[in-house]
Amino acid sequence: GAVVSQHPSRVICKSGTSVKIECRSLDFQATTMFWYRQFPKQSLMLMATSNEGSKATYEQGVEKDKFLINHASLTLSTLTVTSAHPEDSSFYICSAPTSGLSYEQYFGPGTRLTVT
Amino acid sequence: GENVEQHPSTLSVQEGDSAVIKCTYSDSASNYFPWYKQELGKRPQLIIDIRSNVGEKKDQRIAVTLNKTAKHFSLHITETQPEDSAVYFCAASTGNAGNMLTFGGGTRLMVKP
Repeated sequence: GAVVSQHPSRVICKSGTSVKIECRSLDFQATTMFWYRQFPKQSLMLMATSNEGSKATYEQGVEKDKFLINHASLTLSTLTVTSAHPEDSSFYICSAPTSGLSYEQYFGPGTRLTVT
Repeated sequence: GENVEQHPSTLSVQEGDSAVIKCTYSDSASNYFPWYKQELGKRPQLIIDIRSNVGEKKDQRIAVTLNKTAKHFSLHITETQPEDSAVYFCAASTGNAGNMLTFGGGTRLMVKP
């Protein structure tokens, strides 16, 4: 199956700093990628849809100035958590469909963010 | 927008018994319904999916049924094994917006040996 990678897998940062998370499609091109946040014992909540070559689409309640998304190429989307606070600590996961005709999503392994 | 409800939130079964997890969705335009298994700290893994032109799909011990009229779909796991213990998520998609998925709340399945 298709492979999606994420980097880093774990990151600890201090409150007020920024953290960048990368999501890569390794063997296919992805014009669209999705970013999810998952708190402990909860479901995946869609944060935003990352669109190659255009602005991301954010879900209601997600601050676009805090969670910066850049989809600069067909294989890479980045999520930058700016001025991180302890309440931003969570598991961040990206996903991508392999093509516009395929419904199946392939998920990255996730990034555990801890803000101290 | 789409809303997906999932029940139960936790399910405990004895090894060898069957487990059933149910989901309902709100958007009648949804036409793709995947089920994911997620182990602690890992990515969700697709275990089975069904499209709206099919009422039932089976893959070994796992089956999914879909009732479009009632807007609900279910996951059935037979002959459960301890390694089936995980959190299971249902999801729904209309195929629009890049095939965006809306997830249910999840079910924590525990299979006791």
